[in-house]
Amino acid sequence: NAGVTQTPKFRILKIGQSMTLQCTQDMNHNYMYWYRQDPGMGLKLIYYSVGAGITDKGEVPNGYNVSRSTTEDFPLRLELAAPSQTSVYFCASRTPHPDRESNQPQHFGDGTRLSIL
Amino acid sequence: GQNIDQPTEMTATEGAIVQINCTYQTSGFNGLFWYQQHAGEAPTFLSYNVLDGLEEKGRFSSFLSRSKGYSYLLLKELQMKDSASYLCAVRDRTNQAGTALIFGKGTTLSVSS
Repeated sequence: NAGVTQTPKFRILKIGQSMTLQCTQDMNHNYMYWYRQDPGMGLKLIYYSVGAGITDKGEVPNGYNVSRSTTEDFPLRLELAAPSQTSVYFCASRTPHPDRESNQPQHFGDGTRLSIL
Repeated sequence: GQNIDQPTEMTATEGAIVQINCTYQTSGFNGLFWYQQHAGEAPTFLSYNVLDGLEEKGRFSSFLSRSKGYSYLLLKELQMKDSASYLCAVRDRTNQAGTALIFGKGTTLSVSS
């Protein structure tokens, strides 16, 4: 069971370039999330999805886009890379539960370390 | 608004006990999670509290007081491998469909021999 897989692990981009961070999970989880983590800061939610075809903005969505065409995949797109987007990006997923007060944790991928120069 | 506070750094020695505190303010509290994150790695789930009281899991325990907006993670019999960042995260039913987590900045624990 691979869990949550993110690619690439590292990437350096020039200002203005675009790229897609890939995230796939094999646990049949409906809920998926993208976070960014800056040094000394907590994880900030960028976008999330509660199922295929459904996405919504998180706390820091500007400069990013997502899509969710399948249950397994939740790619994050940077259209015009800016230095402020230098960060570590984590994808996470969890299984839904009819009762929201559920102890189901989010499972995280290993992260993508992105530098924009 | 939502706010989560935890100490930035803590140090301890092998074999000791350490308590990492977390205070939070949320509109619709719906559970508190503790994650461990080793440098350069992904966060991994440690514990979950939604009702008041203590949850014990081996060397790790987590406590919650909803009336005080307070939680702590207790680590016993510390080992060198416990050196990591510990993240407190709260789920708020009024935020992002009640599914996403709001994370604190993390507490970096250094364990020395």
